Amino acid sequence: DAGVTQTPRHEVAEKGQTIILKCEPVSGHNDLFWYRQTKIQGLELLSYFRSKSLMEDGGAFKDRFKAEMLNSSFSTLKIQPTEPKDSAVYLCASSFWGSSYEQYFGPGTRLTVL
Amino acid sequence: AQKVTQTQTSISVMEKTTVTMDCVYETQDSSYFLFWYKQTASGEIVFLIRQDSYKKENATVGHYSLNFQKPKSSIGLIITATQIEDSAVYFCAMREYTGANTGKLTFGHGTILRVHP
Repeated sequence: DAGVTQTPRHEVAEKGQTIILKCEPVSGHNDLFWYRQTKIQGLELLSYFRSKSLMEDGGAFKDRFKAEMLNSSFSTLKIQPTEPKDSAVYLCASSFWGSSYEQYFGPGTRLTVL
Repeated sequence: AQKVTQTQTSISVMEKTTVTMDCVYETQDSSYFLFWYKQTASGEIVFLIRQDSYKKENATVGHYSLNFQKPKSSIGLIITATQIEDSAVYFCAMREYTGANTGKLTFGHGTILRVHP
């Protein structure tokens, strides 16, 4: 079975640009999560969807971050406009609600904002 | 609010020895799930093992096992016969169960494990 896929793996943006990160969850999973990982803050939850419905979006990230689930097998995270402090690894994870709840992570997108 | 704490920032061990990584958690719930994940040098995060709070038996998967001490709100990860490729960052995580319509996990900050030849 295919795991969680994320594209691109690396992204370099100029300050002020708009970037879109993509995620495809494990087939059949109905919970999808976007995280940001930095050395200082660790794993921070950005957004959480269940069956395309937004369950939670991280309060601190509402301003310039917008995640969407276009269908049950595809999600995007848009950052607009980017700032240097957004440089981090962005991870997508999925799980099956109603089962054992462990999340399966994608390989991540490393974003560098200049 | 839930909280997961990993007090060990890093641990170094020799290959083929046994290592234990600590994790304590805070929750108001009587039922919950506990998880351990491994993040390799490439950045990949892999699910390792899970403990359901209502189970008294410690979970075991391959050379990973758990030391679940519910009265102490503690869930230690034990790796036996460590190998060089076990070198990674290990994260502890928790999900509350009762009344919580969420699959969200609370993660600790991680423990770096270095296995030396």
